[in-house]
Amino acid sequence: EAQVTQNPRYLITVTGKKLTVTCSQNMNHEYMSWYRQDPGLGLRQIYYSMNVEVTDKGDVPEGYKVSRKEKRNFPLILESPSPNQTSLYFCASSFRTNLYNEQFFGPGTRLTVL
Amino acid sequence: AQSVSQHNHHVILSEAASLELGCNYSYGGTVNLFWYVQYPGQHLQLLLKYFSGDPLVKGIKGFEAEFIKSKFSFNLRKPSVQWSDTAEYFCAVQSRAGNKLTFGGGTRVLVKP
Repeated sequence: EAQVTQNPRYLITVTGKKLTVTCSQNMNHEYMSWYRQDPGLGLRQIYYSMNVEVTDKGDVPEGYKVSRKEKRNFPLILESPSPNQTSLYFCASSFRTNLYNEQFFGPGTRLTVL
Repeated sequence: AQSVSQHNHHVILSEAASLELGCNYSYGGTVNLFWYVQYPGQHLQLLLKYFSGDPLVKGIKGFEAEFIKSKFSFNLRKPSVQWSDTAEYFCAVQSRAGNKLTFGGGTRVLVKP
């Protein structure tokens, strides 16, 4: 089954404790992206990757890191989480074409930073 | 930079009522347009999309949307809602020049039985 998976689905942590949220897709998509969802703000892009070893900042990259060592995986790293990073996080992927690049979303990771 | 505005943050209506959610975007170039739905506790699902062609797009679950280029709008409609349509709805715009999706702030719809 074609899908985007994220782990963990729920995470409660404390300020300053490094964490990684994994994202994996099995559709051979070049493009992958991370979003955070906050009430009233919709989804905002954190980082994206156009292909292996190619990553770039989105609209709200502060406090986050990413890596793209393999095509299928795009982990999101919070080196020193803070309470303002409490949010619902979505990973997405798509083919890298200029026209019909519908994005597929993972199930989401709800993160609480105390 | 592209931006998306959804006019209503919350909508409450009764079953069988008609629904229309407004979406306006700001971008100078050619765009792809999407409506996503998020049911309580679930992830985003694509309702419908517009890439080109007929500006009236039909999606799943009886939803449709109309792209009006001159108004930079892509409003979502459903003639008769059901309780199961209770969800949050997001409009999104994607530049044809890249993959980035820009989302509106979302509209929470509550359908009373």
